[in-house]
Amino acid sequence: GQQVMQIPQYQHVQEGEDFTTYCNSSTTLSNIQWYKQRPGGHPVFLIQLVKSGEVKKQKRLTFQFGEAKKNSSLHITATQTTDVGTYFCAGRDRDDKIIFGKGTRLHILP
Amino acid sequence: NAGVTQTPKFRVLKTGQSMTLLCAQDMNHEYMYWYRQDPGMGLRLIHYSVGEGTTAKGEVPDGYNVSRLKKQNFLLGLESAAPSQTSVYFCASSYPAYIAGVGNEQFFGPGTRLTVL
Repeated sequence: GQQVMQIPQYQHVQEGEDFTTYCNSSTTLSNIQWYKQRPGGHPVFLIQLVKSGEVKKQKRLTFQFGEAKKNSSLHITATQTTDVGTYFCAGRDRDDKIIFGKGTRLHILP
Repeated sequence: NAGVTQTPKFRVLKTGQSMTLLCAQDMNHEYMYWYRQDPGMGLRLIHYSVGEGTTAKGEVPDGYNVSRLKKQNFLLGLESAAPSQTSVYFCASSYPAYIAGVGNEQFFGPGTRLTVL
């Protein structure tokens, strides 16, 4: 079945450093979504990517969707303490099935 | 709008007891989902529904049942709770992907923390 692998599982960065998490699917995706979950909270939608090679930016966050629509990345520039949390990707396949990656937990060192 | 609400927020059960988790959404979403979240395992789909009166199995359906009698409600039942079902349960809802012009992002409820002793 479809699998969505997300790496790394954990990342510790100094405040001000950059951070990247990667998502790889075993099958071609129709779209990919990214969510953020603050500690003790629930996942909150960040963005959706649909087109091959698509790049979207939200302030310090840059999201990319691979040309083959099998991988995606989230890059945060100059991390801040408010970026702490777990970032999940969620891939939707052509059968409309959604599979979440296991998430990358970001910890910021002051 | 309240969005997605879940009751209860916390619950402790003894092995073998039963309970029902209630999810309600006021966004007129067709799709609803139940996930469980365990440390290091991410979000795993238990069951989902693409419309009133329909349900389908997700990735980890064993030990759970669901019902969608009304469009706005999605119930998750545990008939005989086991310690392996200790987890945080999230409900979510969304529009279908095939509706043009609207996003199909999932809106999550605040979660139910369940402990089975």
